[in-house]
Amino acid sequence: RKEVEQDPGPFNVPEGATVAFNCTYSNSASQSFFWYRQDCRKEPKLLMSVYSSGNEDGRFTAQLNRASQYISLLIRDSKLSDSATYLCVVRTVLNAGNNRKLIWGLGTSLAVNP
Amino acid sequence: EAGVVQSPRYKIIEKKQPVAFWCNPISGHNTLYWYLQNLGQGPELLIRYENEEAVDDSQLPKDRFSAERLKGVDSTLKIQPAELGDSAVYLCASSLDPRYSRYGYTFGSGTRLTVV
Repeated sequence: RKEVEQDPGPFNVPEGATVAFNCTYSNSASQSFFWYRQDCRKEPKLLMSVYSSGNEDGRFTAQLNRASQYISLLIRDSKLSDSATYLCVVRTVLNAGNNRKLIWGLGTSLAVNP
Repeated sequence: EAGVVQSPRYKIIEKKQPVAFWCNPISGHNTLYWYLQNLGQGPELLIRYENEEAVDDSQLPKDRFSAERLKGVDSTLKIQPAELGDSAVYLCASSLDPRYSRYGYTFGSGTRLTVV
């Protein structure tokens, strides 16, 4: 089982649709969670951190379920400009020292169509 | 504020030739990362620096890859000799003290390497 798993998609949705992505992680010691967005031929950019209580930023809502070890990203009222790859990122502390490991999912591709 | 600056933006070299990539992180970011990303894949960590110390280089192919961050600011990643399979995008990222775990990374625009 991969340490971080995402459905690669592609998700094809019409403008205005609501779409949700899930990401599962295998290490229960994982501590920090992020969603990144990557446009074609561009670098990944931080979309939002994921907090234990869930958090919202405009049309984007991120949630964390520690018991089931997954995080989710919900996009409401999709725009054409939301078309991109969404990468799930999990940071795990490996030991009591300063040894952290950042694990990236392969990304979920979203295409929002007019 | 300038972001993470990488150069060159593109590089085409013949196999067995050396190549070097340069990265200048965001001012004040003491943690610097080099990642490799292949098409359709997520970024893969090559090396992580905290200030000038390489604290995680476990995935750096040390037979041909080397990196340095001598003054704890900008960094250079080198491949010598390059192989066809090294063709990828090499991304540099920086972040604040990773103990502040809610902060993500800021990436540079990357160097797209093509080995022919």
